[in-house]
Amino acid sequence: GAGVSQSPSNKVTEKGKDVELRCDPISGHTALYWYRQSLGQGLEFLIYFQGNSAPDKSGLPSDRFSAERTGGSVSTLTIQRTQQEDSAVYLCASSPRDSFTDTQYFGPGTRLTVL
Amino acid sequence: GQSLEQPSEVTAVEGAIVQINCTYQTSGFYGLSWYQQHDGGAPTFLSYNALDGLEETGRFSSFLSRSDSYGYLLLQELQMKDSASYFCALNDYKLSFGAGTTVTVRA
Repeated sequence: GAGVSQSPSNKVTEKGKDVELRCDPISGHTALYWYRQSLGQGLEFLIYFQGNSAPDKSGLPSDRFSAERTGGSVSTLTIQRTQQEDSAVYLCASSPRDSFTDTQYFGPGTRLTVL
Repeated sequence: GQSLEQPSEVTAVEGAIVQINCTYQTSGFYGLSWYQQHDGGAPTFLSYNALDGLEETGRFSSFLSRSDSYGYLLLQELQMKDSASYFCALNDYKLSFGAGTTVTVRA
């Protein structure tokens, strides 16, 4: 059906607050990825899901960051006690299966601003 | 780890040809991908090279040389709508991106 969707599109929060970012992948896509893009920079890998499992969390920058995926579909990225350096665009991508050559389809991102 | 280098900016006129080079260092990867991102938009897939050589997709072509740790994206017959950022990325199930090249197309 539709492409990858993310919500909210914009989030402004105060330093120290917790935020939740949501990703709805393309239906049937088993692989899901979170990336972060700071202003004018490339994308930085955060975490990878295959189904509901996260075999690679190596990109999460600190223990304030966590993510889960339920029903092999929706994923939530949670940032606790936000800091100003967390300000960035958080992008979600999905792909049809666990293949190293599969195209990743990106959502429009959530722009997070921490004041 | 992985690291990739690509030029930060390229400017060209409509109808011209632009080549964006990408050099990389890696301990292993499956292929090199290219993504396009318009301002404020989602990255979209352009091309993928699993093997050495040239892949052609319409006006866009991509090349990989594993022995030289080098690849490039060739944009032909440039159009105004090609003004965007272009990223090379190493595939090893996750993508490791370069910092991106901003292409500006002038009339």
